[in-house]
Amino acid sequence: KAGVTQTPRYLIKTRGQQVTLSCSPISGHRSVSWYQQTPGQGLQFLFEYFSETQRNKGNFPGRFSGRQFSNSRSEMNVSTLELGDSALYLCASSFDRANTEAFFGQGTRLTVV
Amino acid sequence: GQQVMQIPQYQHVQEGEDFTTYCNSSTTLSNIQWYKQRPGGHPVFLIQLVKSGEVKKQKRLTFQFGEAKKNSSLHITATQTTDVGTYFCAGPREDSTLTFGKGTMLLVSP
Repeated sequence: KAGVTQTPRYLIKTRGQQVTLSCSPISGHRSVSWYQQTPGQGLQFLFEYFSETQRNKGNFPGRFSGRQFSNSRSEMNVSTLELGDSALYLCASSFDRANTEAFFGQGTRLTVV
Repeated sequence: GQQVMQIPQYQHVQEGEDFTTYCNSSTTLSNIQWYKQRPGGHPVFLIQLVKSGEVKKQKRLTFQFGEAKKNSSLHITATQTTDVGTYFCAGPREDSTLTFGKGTMLLVSP
């Protein structure tokens, strides 16, 4: 079966702009989690969506938001981009709970200039 | 809150040498998961350990879960260049999310 698909793979944005990233989970998986990965901080949890509802949220500012659609596809949005938002954004899908085996997408590499 | 610490942060070995990374949690875990991320890639699930004292093997990789379910280790015997990457452990939180360690980057020289 198809894996987790994230689009786009690469993005370059300017400070102050906003960006939307997309994630299509594995068919049948209802939990979608988003992580920010940077060299110094490792994998930082952003939020988790389950059945179109945000179930958990990490310690990130309100500029980071997300949503999930009825087909389990998820988007995350970052508004008013800052240089420090440059990172690899990873989406992970799980069958029903985010703390079970997670299947990661290839990520979106965001560069803010 | 719950923290998962990994050591070492980085290790460089010669091909054929052994490698071990250690994971320690500030709280008791219901299970521990291990992931591998190749350079330029994304984390890939390796294994999940659930039972106290559990030991599992995957070819040259040996995974252990401590008796107190607060620590774990991954040991690679006779490393190969294909083992290069960052190894992460992850523990489930009470809110059903995963907390990842910062990972151990393994570099293997031929």
